[in-house]
Amino acid sequence: GQNIDQPTEMTATEGAIVQINCTYQTSGFNGLFWYQQHAGEAPTFLSYNVLDGLEEKGRFSSFLSRSKGYSYLLLKELQMKDSASYLCAVKDSNYQLIWGAGTKLIIKP
Amino acid sequence: GAVVSQHPSWVICKSGTSVKIECRSLDFQATTMFWYRQFPKQSLMLMATSNEGSKATYEQGVEKDKFLINHASLTLSTLTVTSAHPEDSSFYICSAPPGDTEAFFGQGTRLTVV
Repeated sequence: GQNIDQPTEMTATEGAIVQINCTYQTSGFNGLFWYQQHAGEAPTFLSYNVLDGLEEKGRFSSFLSRSKGYSYLLLKELQMKDSASYLCAVKDSNYQLIWGAGTKLIIKP
Repeated sequence: GAVVSQHPSWVICKSGTSVKIECRSLDFQATTMFWYRQFPKQSLMLMATSNEGSKATYEQGVEKDKFLINHASLTLSTLTVTSAHPEDSSFYICSAPPGDTEAFFGQGTRLTVV
């Protein structure tokens, strides 16, 4: 079966750095996405990786290793507004998005 | 980026009634629309894929007769929850994949059945 694993919850301090990991086992791979979702709202796109390596976009960076079935989202200079759930999703061989359960990130002052 | 508009944002209905949720692609044509359901503290679960001009494809375990999907045009897909019950209370979200990369989501609909 297809499976995406992320930690359920993480806590970090304002101004610090946090890394959210995602491991996946899917039927085929056509890209990995990270989305941010605030409670009661639709997910918003953060990043897309299809090749191995690090993609940097401002305070957020995303890394992919296809051979290891592994990705992480790195958030720097954490702000209180970064408190949200972070969803990892993989596009499989049928170009269907398979979603992880999400990681709830709690930022403390 | 592409815009997907979903209405209503929230709805409260009585048990046994039906609720229609609309999803429109505003600046592009969507031949396909995905409908998701999300229960509190859980992941997005794909319910069905609507296809313009043909029948929707439902995921295993999703009742076709209860969740009616219609893709009337290249810019409109609707999900109707028929004979709603409290266990249908959830967050429903549509998304359209205009390209090979990100999916664009509607705003979501919070359905509460009382």
